[in-house]
Amino acid sequence: DADVTQTPRNRITKTGKRIMLECSQTKGHDRMYWYRQDPGLGLRLIYYSFDVKDINKGEISDGYSVSRQAQAKFSLSLESAIPNQTALYFCATSEGTGYLAEAFFGQGTRLTVV
Amino acid sequence: AQKVTQAQTEISVVEKEDVTLDCVYETRDTTYYLFWYKQPPSGELVFLIRRNSFDEQNEISGRYSWNFQKSTSSFNFTITASQVVDSAVYFCALSEETSGSRLTFGEGTQLTVNP
Repeated sequence: DADVTQTPRNRITKTGKRIMLECSQTKGHDRMYWYRQDPGLGLRLIYYSFDVKDINKGEISDGYSVSRQAQAKFSLSLESAIPNQTALYFCATSEGTGYLAEAFFGQGTRLTVV
Repeated sequence: AQKVTQAQTEISVVEKEDVTLDCVYETRDTTYYLFWYKQPPSGELVFLIRRNSFDEQNEISGRYSWNFQKSTSSFNFTITASQVVDSAVYFCALSEETSGSRLTFGEGTQLTVNP
């Protein structure tokens, strides 16, 4: 089993629908992240959490919300999906050792909003 | 603010050619890490290397090598004798001491190695 698991792997949804992307990890890491990948833009940080009670906005948090249900689970929600949220979404984890820590990525969720 | 630039959007080479992927970064921190990730067509991100700002030694791993030059704020990646399996999108990324382990990614370079 993968250390960082994202569900679903692929999703097509309609404009205006609420959708949740889930991430779970078995690494035992405190830090979790959600990134979004768009062609030509690389990956951009949406939200991050350094522990269960600590949640922070990244550079592109508008239109998204997150929930850290437990150390191992970090969910990303789109309250009302719009077409320009069509992208590849990655969850990642890292140890709580600051900038030194290597990030471990999930396999990605490809979301299409029609 | 931190920034990573990969000016080469796409590169196409013929198998066995050497290819260099450029990465230029901006940061005000003196302590930071630089990374390279590979994203094959299957979509997952594969970690390749991490280099800290105090270690400017070049690194070689098989056909891969990395050239870190603080004077030019560059962290370039060379693949020697490229193979079709090297075809992927490659990302350079930066993690600063002041931003914890959050990564700032470059735009990515699509490398295509043709047989």
